[in-house]
Amino acid sequence: LAKTTQPISMDSYEGQEVNITCSHNNIATNDYITWYQQFPSQGPRFIIQGYKTKVTNEVASLFIPADRKSSTLSLPRVSLSDTAVYYCLVGSTRGRRALTFGSGTRLQVQP
Amino acid sequence: NAGVTQTPKFRILKIGQSMTLQCTQDMNHNYMYWYRQDPGMGLKLIYYSVGAGITDKGEVPNGYNVSRSTTEDFPLRLELAAPSQTSVYFCASSREVAYEQYFGPGTRLTVT
Repeated sequence: LAKTTQPISMDSYEGQEVNITCSHNNIATNDYITWYQQFPSQGPRFIIQGYKTKVTNEVASLFIPADRKSSTLSLPRVSLSDTAVYYCLVGSTRGRRALTFGSGTRLQVQP
Repeated sequence: NAGVTQTPKFRILKIGQSMTLQCTQDMNHNYMYWYRQDPGMGLKLIYYSVGAGITDKGEVPNGYNVSRSTTEDFPLRLELAAPSQTSVYFCASSREVAYEQYFGPGTRLTVT
């Protein structure tokens, strides 16, 4: 399984764009990149998944460069309710081995 | 659909006691997972299952046992509870590995 590295924490202000980068140098050909969000006392919630280039949904965008050794989760115009822990996971949809969550990035949004 | 349900929500155990955490999903997912999360830490995978009758160890399986007799249910058994097992336990399911995981509300367990 590809090992991922994320910043431990980030701070931002309401209305700003937040970019959280995840490094996954040994990503395999069949691996996808998935991001989850977790609020206190809740289980993680799926945000977005991608394989290459750019993926966008109503919540976030995911940017993946051509070499796929890193990815960036972009949250546009964050609000206080975006304060949470964000996890980057890398793994293959073809394999059988479960992915692991790691420690995540703790995002604190200030007013 | 109820999604993933877990029982109980809270439990206090004495050292050496045993208990089973229940997890049920109604989405006909193949994969089911058990995680533990200690305060301020990330999720650690305990066990997972790729389908009925098949289970695999995760990162931290010691002190736990699982079974998967049906697609819907994936109970986690704690034998001889220890204070180190004080944690929040989350169950999750997904259609296939690396697909979106759906999480239950969690069980907060304290061992004293």
